[in-house]
Amino acid sequence: ETGVTQSPTHLIKTRGQQVTLRCSSQSGHNTVSWYQQALGQGPQFIFQYYREEENGRGNFPPRFSGLQFPNYSSELNVNALELDDSALYLCASTVGQGRYEQFFGPGTRLTVL
Amino acid sequence: KNEVEQSPQNLTAQEGEFITINCSYSVGISALHWLQQHPGGGIVSLFMLSSGKKKHGRLIATINIQEKHSSLHITASHPRDSAVYICAVDNTDKLIFGTGTRLQVFP
Repeated sequence: ETGVTQSPTHLIKTRGQQVTLRCSSQSGHNTVSWYQQALGQGPQFIFQYYREEENGRGNFPPRFSGLQFPNYSSELNVNALELDDSALYLCASTVGQGRYEQFFGPGTRLTVL
Repeated sequence: KNEVEQSPQNLTAQEGEFITINCSYSVGISALHWLQQHPGGGIVSLFMLSSGKKKHGRLIATINIQEKHSSLHITASHPRDSAVYICAVDNTDKLIFGTGTRLQVFP
């Protein structure tokens, strides 16, 4: 139990739709990162938020966007869904930037039909 | 070539065996993480290390910064150790992950 929760657990969408995934971090964790994990692959870094500002982004298009809120929750939004967006989406929170242990949520499995 | 490489990709063992999983990386890092992922998808952090060796129960992790290599050892393996073990490196405040090693331990 890491104290990080994600919702929903599973989600099915159709191509072209928009989706919002949610993550609730541990209290005091002001950094949250989002990752995409395709089947059989390691997670890929999407972006990181630190104190409600985007603080780094991986190789993902602008239709992947995020928000972080003062209450340690955050969102990942994906517009114009594509079939290849089907994956497990993980968030991980940490107490600060740099060399800190990351606490992962259980993930949201998104299927795009 | 991936920036983080793990070997082997798949590993089967009999209960009680000593297991080693290797990780090599090609980028500069501030720390290296060993993570465990069970079939449901959730990831648990096992170790974070930047030098030397750490031990927690039957798990031991080592890192050689000069050689850019880390190993995860499991002593006296047990079927409940069956999972995917992932190596990830801290690179400019983001994690770069290996593709994981799938371990199955049989009774």
